[in-house]
Amino acid sequence: SAVISQKPSRDICQRGTSLTIQCQVDSQVTMMFWYRQQPGQSLTLIATANQGSEATYESGFVIDKFPISRPNLTFSTLTVSNMSPEDSSIYLCSVEGVNVNEQFFGPGTRLTVL
Amino acid sequence: EDQVTQSPEALRLQEGESSSLNCSYTVSGLRGLFWYRQDPGKGPEFLFTLYSAGEEKEKERLKATLTKKESFLHITAPKPEDSATYLCAVQASGTASKLTFGTGTRLQVTL
Repeated sequence: SAVISQKPSRDICQRGTSLTIQCQVDSQVTMMFWYRQQPGQSLTLIATANQGSEATYESGFVIDKFPISRPNLTFSTLTVSNMSPEDSSIYLCSVEGVNVNEQFFGPGTRLTVL
Repeated sequence: EDQVTQSPEALRLQEGESSSLNCSYTVSGLRGLFWYRQDPGKGPEFLFTLYSAGEEKEKERLKATLTKKESFLHITAPKPEDSATYLCAVQASGTASKLTFGTGTRLQVTL
């Protein structure tokens, strides 16, 4: 399985500011995914990031609010822009394994917006 | 729209007391059903993928089964270290690997 790290592990931010979350994988992967896990709710896919192309966003998520970069096959960033308390959540990146029907998750970034 | 419902929301077992967790789903063509374990403050840990009705997979004290409408995660003789939230997710055909998750079952195993 892939080893995935995320930075920061947690942060407390003021409303109106932006935070960029980094996701690093120990092997090259084609697809990377960004999920949100709000308190007491299920994981929800924000977007899919392929290297060399623009991210594909799910319904309810827009690029202006959650811009994503995917500069190479081992790294991606998610920015949470113009934050409000409703953005307080855990943000997780995931990747497909060698077997495309396995997905592995990073440890998550716990974001609190005041 | 794909949907996943897990029950119960929470389950408390004594060590050695076997039980099952349920995952009901509706999906437009199932590509795979995933089970994960999530410990507090950590990301989900992959357990199994099931692909077709009748399939079963085992890992230590866990066994996952699949029908056309639901999946069960059977926990045999659980230990306190099995305490975690267990998440179920489905992947539909033609959705480019997107997973749709349920809200999970919080399992607590006591001595």
